[in-house]
Amino acid sequence: GDSVTQMEGPVTLSEEACLTINCTYTATGYPSLFWYVQYPGEGLQLLLKATKADDKGSNKGFEATYRKETTSFHLEKGSVQVSDSAVYFCALRSNTGNQFYFGTGTSLTVIP
Amino acid sequence: DVKVTQSSRYLVKRTGEKVFLECVQDMDHENMFWYRQDPGLGLRLIYFSYDVKMKEKGDIPEGYSVSREKKERFSLILESASTNQTSMYLCASSSLGGRQPQHFGDGTRLSIL
Repeated sequence: GDSVTQMEGPVTLSEEACLTINCTYTATGYPSLFWYVQYPGEGLQLLLKATKADDKGSNKGFEATYRKETTSFHLEKGSVQVSDSAVYFCALRSNTGNQFYFGTGTSLTVIP
Repeated sequence: DVKVTQSSRYLVKRTGEKVFLECVQDMDHENMFWYRQDPGLGLRLIYFSYDVKMKEKGDIPEGYSVSREKKERFSLILESASTNQTSMYLCASSSLGGRQPQHFGDGTRLSIL
């Protein structure tokens, strides 16, 4: 069945460092891919999305490109801030419609 | 802007009580979902519903039930709360089919004493 595997955390970076959180998926056909962010004590917020191969999703300086050939959707940011400290989830929506699958989450802490 | 509203951010109940968690969405979505989130276990699907009065079991339905009497509202019910149901509960909604994401509420932190 469909599944998502993302990089284990926790990840600790200094402010202004580069961030990459790896995400790979297994799916039949062409799923939609998402990154969510969860701040402490809150629900998940959609960060960005990509719905077809080679699409690049971007928001708040974060980017991720839908790579069909490597079944990946890695999250990147060129310069992280303390306010980016959160848990990040990679997710997919299967192309059959109503099933969603989540990675286990990667905790990011950015220190000044 | 889209909105999923969970009735309580924090809730404390006692063992054996019947507990209701309410979720309302204003996006006219067909699908609604309940998850629980525990440290190290990620999100686990409890139940979902793709239409009024329809429900499907997720991965961990034991000890829970749900109710969907209106399209915008999806309730999670703990029939007889137990301490191992202490958790963060997240409600989400999505369109039926298509490629759009789920939208989540702020979560309910439930403690069973």
